[in-house]
Amino acid sequence: DTAVSQTPKYLVTQMGNDKSIKCEQNLGHDTMYWYKQDSKKFLKIMFSYNNKELIINETVPNRFSPKSPDKAHLNLHINSLELGDSAVYFCASSRREGGRVNEQYFGPGTRLTVT
Amino acid sequence: GDSVTQMEGPVTLSEEAFLTINCTYTATGYPSLFWYVQYPGEGLQLLLKATKADDKGSNKGFEATYRKETTSFHLEKGSVQVSDSAVYFCALYSGSARQLTFGSGTQLTVLP
Repeated sequence: DTAVSQTPKYLVTQMGNDKSIKCEQNLGHDTMYWYKQDSKKFLKIMFSYNNKELIINETVPNRFSPKSPDKAHLNLHINSLELGDSAVYFCASSRREGGRVNEQYFGPGTRLTVT
Repeated sequence: GDSVTQMEGPVTLSEEAFLTINCTYTATGYPSLFWYVQYPGEGLQLLLKATKADDKGSNKGFEATYRKETTSFHLEKGSVQVSDSAVYFCALYSGSARQLTFGSGTQLTVLP
């Protein structure tokens, strides 16, 4: 059984389009994240949701909007795509235990290519 | 703020060689420390962790010891295999930042 799943795995689109990436976890975790990994493998956190509330919002353009319909899902919507948005996007989840966040479990990633 | 500095790669070793990937950190308080591994085309997987000073995390022959006095969490393996070829990330979690902070990753290639 897949713990953290993402769809699609590959996404090729043109500049200016709007696209969404979906993420689901079946681990019963209460915190979910979106990361962006650039071509040099550098990982940057974009968003974090705990019990459907945004708790981290790093300096990400407002073209990116996370949507969490319930604590098992965290989708990422991107408006007006730009060339610089090309990257691999990872979803992750974790459980907050006693005020400390436990290790994070990552999805397989979505490779976004903007042409 | 919190930061993690990793040994720059890429690292290329022959099979059965000894591996060390250095990791040092800066954080307030007492962070938890992690090593994640990313195999080609896949997401990150937790390799091992340590939550307090002098703890040793171990998994699949890899080890790392939480050294508070040197603020380090170096990854070691006594005999690497071709299947260990991957990108390795050191990371820390501190309650003050409430997020994982990753190092830049180290690409390891093991040749037969």
